[in-house]
Amino acid sequence: DQQVKQNSPSLSVQEGRISILNCDYTNSMFDYFLWYKKYPAEGPTFLISISSIKDKNEDGRFTVFLNKSAKHLSLHIVPSQPGDSAVYFCAASATGQGGSEKLVFGKGTKLTVNP
Amino acid sequence: ETGVTQSPTHLIKTRGQQVTLRCSSQSGHNTVSWYQQALGQGPQFIFQYYREEENGRGNFPPRFSGLQFPNYSSELNVNALELDDSALYLCASSSQTGTEAFFGQGTRLTVV
Repeated sequence: DQQVKQNSPSLSVQEGRISILNCDYTNSMFDYFLWYKKYPAEGPTFLISISSIKDKNEDGRFTVFLNKSAKHLSLHIVPSQPGDSAVYFCAASATGQGGSEKLVFGKGTKLTVNP
Repeated sequence: ETGVTQSPTHLIKTRGQQVTLRCSSQSGHNTVSWYQQALGQGPQFIFQYYREEENGRGNFPPRFSGLQFPNYSSELNVNALELDDSALYLCASSSQTGTEAFFGQGTRLTVV
């Protein structure tokens, strides 16, 4: 049973436009969410995170929105650049459980930004 | 500040053999986690080490084991390799449990 779902395997956008990547989760114990970007032959690179006490976090061109009632989060990239082309992973953790705060990942969305 | 480094980058092993993968954590980080990423999947948590003790384990059999050393570097050992163990193995370090994890470039393991 997948606890973190990224239902779009791929997304293609034009340079300069907005990219919106979506992520849904099922475990209500998750209280910390992260987005990672991965280029081929490299490890995932941390992009941005959000705690469940917030509904928005912004860092430059990247904004993450969290809708706890819908168990949904999204990553907005504005404006999109060709260098943003990569696989984006959504990840979640339950930090308050006294356990390992392991990250649970979705399967990823491959973003292609066309010049 | 050095990042997370893993060795080797690629490895080919025969079914039934044993393998050891290594990870040097980022400077100042005392927590190391290992993940397995199969083709087309997201990374899956194997286990985590905090101050040289195992601090949580995912749904992996006991033939997956690990160590963390006093300098916070870590090893992942896999015994009795199976074909399905072929994957990218990622190491991630963080400064304390619950904060952002920073990943190494991974070790691509192929079991034939």
